[in-house]
Amino acid sequence: DSGVTQTPKHLITATGQRVTLRCSPRSGDLSVYWYQQSLDQGLQFLIQYYNGEERAKGNILERFSAQQFPDLHSELNLSSLELGDSALYFCASSLTPGGQGASYSPLHFGNGTRLTVT
Amino acid sequence: GNSVTQMEGPVTLSEEAFLTINCTYTATGYPSLFWYVQYPGEGLQLLLKATKADDKGSNKGFEATYRKETTSFHLEKGSVQVSDSAVYFCALSEKGAQKLVFGQGTRLTINP
Repeated sequence: DSGVTQTPKHLITATGQRVTLRCSPRSGDLSVYWYQQSLDQGLQFLIQYYNGEERAKGNILERFSAQQFPDLHSELNLSSLELGDSALYFCASSLTPGGQGASYSPLHFGNGTRLTVT
Repeated sequence: GNSVTQMEGPVTLSEEAFLTINCTYTATGYPSLFWYVQYPGEGLQLLLKATKADDKGSNKGFEATYRKETTSFHLEKGSVQVSDSAVYFCALSEKGAQKLVFGQGTRLTINP
């Protein structure tokens, strides 16, 4: 058990809808990451937060947004859903956010939320 | 940009066979390199890592050596078990960055 909790485990929705995925980081971890895993694109980094602030941005679509709350949990909002958004969405957390001169802080992954858009 | 290329899967072996999963990378500077493993229905777990050239990461009988001259980080295990069946991901992170760039994953199945 990584200590990272993601809800819900499964989500089925229709095109054009909006959903919210939730992540609770491991106790003590301050940084949260979102990844999308799909068959054609593999594992893609979406976005990173540290202590409530956006830290790094990857291949995140404009229809997607995220935030990290004061209690450090994070939510990923996906809107105007398309069939191609069907994927497994992973959240990960780490103790520190990284940075020049900083040693690497291992990422701990949740079990993911499987989103199916019909 | 940075990228990771892994050996195409799936890979099927018999128990106690020798395993190699190839991984090469493209990156500026000297990234840190990782192998993650994903068991069915679970998230990714860090298997091993290496942070500089010639470092060898090892864990649970798996090993990988950071080869700067060939930009490679191949995963090896001398004798695989059925419980090693999983998807294996090679990944890198730039120095000072936390985000990981993953390869496409290699599905490994070990038959008894």
